[in-house]
Amino acid sequence: EAGVTQSPTHLIKTRGQQATLRCSPISGHTSVYWYQQALGLGLQFLLWYDEGEERNRGNFPPRFSGRQFPNYSSELNVNALELEDSALYLCASSPGPGIAYEQFFGPGTRLTVL
Amino acid sequence: ELKVEQNPLFLSMQEGKNYTIYCNYSTTSDRLYWYRQDPGKSLESLFVLLSNGAVKQEGRLMASLDTKARLSTLHITAAVHDLSATYFCAVEEIFGNEKLTFGTGTRLTIIP
Repeated sequence: EAGVTQSPTHLIKTRGQQATLRCSPISGHTSVYWYQQALGLGLQFLLWYDEGEERNRGNFPPRFSGRQFPNYSSELNVNALELEDSALYLCASSPGPGIAYEQFFGPGTRLTVL
Repeated sequence: ELKVEQNPLFLSMQEGKNYTIYCNYSTTSDRLYWYRQDPGKSLESLFVLLSNGAVKQEGRLMASLDTKARLSTLHITAAVHDLSATYFCAVEEIFGNEKLTFGTGTRLTIIP
């Protein structure tokens, strides 16, 4: 069974640009989660999508947004990039909200903002 | 706001020794996860602990959860080099909100 996949592996942008990161969940999973792992800040929850809807959001500004498509894949968009947005962005998926459903993580996208 | 603390942050231990990583959290929760991360890699799920007194073991790793003390432990028995990695605990604060709050991580180095 294929795991969570993310693209691209690496992304280099300059300040003020927009970045788009993509995630495909494990087949049969309807929930997709996004996390940011920045140096010195640890792993922080960004967004949760389920059945095409945004269900929960972490403490990030509105320039972090995303969506989930009918096939449950997801996109994370970061507008007006700032240097501190440089981080590893991890996507995870689960069969859906509910007890005993752990989140399975993808390999991540390393975003570098110059 | 939920806070999750791990200690130690860094742990260097010899092969064959036993040690414990501690994960304390600040609010009531009965869903706790342990993950492993190798350098430059993603997170690998190790354990899911869903109730007070839960204990799970896989190989040389054993995790337990005490919800009353708001404490989980990850015990390493007879460490081997392959266990070198960073270990994270994560807590879901409110059932159903699916938001995991991660600890700071414990970087474990096993010395031959």
